[in-house]
Amino acid sequence: AQSVTQLGSHVSVSEGALVLLRCNYSSSVPPYLFWYVQYPNQGLQLLLKYTTGATLVKGINGFEAEFKKSETSFHLTKPSAHMSDAAEYFCAVSSGGYNKLIFGAGTRLAVHP
Amino acid sequence: DTAVSQTPKYLVTQMGNDKSIKCEQNLGHDTMYWYKQDSKKFLKIMFSYNNKELIINETVPNRFSPKSPDKAHLNLHINSLELGDSAVYFCASSPTRGETQYFGPGTRLLVL
Repeated sequence: AQSVTQLGSHVSVSEGALVLLRCNYSSSVPPYLFWYVQYPNQGLQLLLKYTTGATLVKGINGFEAEFKKSETSFHLTKPSAHMSDAAEYFCAVSSGGYNKLIFGAGTRLAVHP
Repeated sequence: DTAVSQTPKYLVTQMGNDKSIKCEQNLGHDTMYWYKQDSKKFLKIMFSYNNKELIINETVPNRFSPKSPDKAHLNLHINSLELGDSAVYFCASSPTRGETQYFGPGTRLLVL
């Protein structure tokens, strides 16, 4: 069975500071990994994904994530936070195929001046 | 052009009523999904259809019945609504055996 753990339900950073949102997964098959962002009262938007190939993946809005198989991690980073990054972030895993997404509990990112 | 759309956006109803939520995608995808997001923001898959065929059916009360009239539409009918059904319901779609799911804006259901 697959599962996702997001460490830290709330993360607060200053504008311009590094953003680090942690995600660890469990999967018995090679995983497909995703980060989605949800702004208040909106749907989910894909930030980035890892399927195969290069383990450092770049996404939209300056975010990137690195797949580390040995650590079963897929942490999301952004070098410099912007006020508009304040949102809920979800890490998810699937095994491809019919692509059932298993989500983590989410991390709320707050950015203060 | 909205890729995945849902109607209605908000739904307030009384316990015991029956209601439907509609979803349409114009991306040409073969696979569609329903997810439920509870009050703590936790997201869980409910159903998935591939070319009008049910392929994922999680442990969901049988008061919930999905229907896919064609591959661009996936509707969710809920009978005898209960307080615990209050949540945000998201529709999503993806290419057959594709990786990325595209989500609709959600339907916020409140059962009183």
